[in-house]
Amino acid sequence: ILNVEQSPQSLHVQEGDSTNFTCSFPSSNFYALHWYRWETAKSPEALFVMTLNGDEKKKGRISATLNTKEGYSYLYIKGSQPEDSATYLCAASGSARQLTFGSGTQLTVLP
Amino acid sequence: NAGVTQTPKFRVLKTGQSMTLLCAQDMNHEYMYWYRQDPGMGLRLIHYSVGEGTTAKGEVPDGYNVSRLKKQNFLLGLESAAPSQTSVYFCASSVGHEQYFGPGTRLTVT
Repeated sequence: ILNVEQSPQSLHVQEGDSTNFTCSFPSSNFYALHWYRWETAKSPEALFVMTLNGDEKKKGRISATLNTKEGYSYLYIKGSQPEDSATYLCAASGSARQLTFGSGTQLTVLP
Repeated sequence: NAGVTQTPKFRVLKTGQSMTLLCAQDMNHEYMYWYRQDPGMGLRLIHYSVGEGTTAKGEVPDGYNVSRLKKQNFLLGLESAAPSQTSVYFCASSVGHEQYFGPGTRLTVT
């Protein structure tokens, strides 16, 4: 079981601001890093899965990077919109495909 | 294609009662998982299954049992519910490393 930490715990930004948050994980016994978007009263929705050091993924205004050597990943949101308000979960998996989740970053975008 | 479904959506139990939560997926996924979600703690893995007829313990298995008699179904049982098991329970299934989640079951144990 990996120890996954996310920061900050919560974040308020103004509409149009760009923002980023961090996920850290132990670099040993690592296979993949996942980002999920989780809206209240809904299921977590997969955003990205990354496995290789230096990986960068992008989906619209959201992007993520991965550094497996130092054990961190960043999630970036460019030009935040109120509909981006959600909890963003990071999870790391080892070879057994078990995910260990961080406690999430709760993002609120103020109009 | 319904994806991952869970029943029931809500349930209130008294301490000591038993119940079974059902997870079903129609994507022919081999792997299935049960998580619980508590405030400030993210999702924690209870049990998982790598295929029909197999189950394994996750991070917080105590007080729960599971069965995977059919590939599409993964059952989570509470034999004697305790207030500490009040939580939101999520089921997931996966192909590769991407997991697909159900809508959750909110369980309250009084």
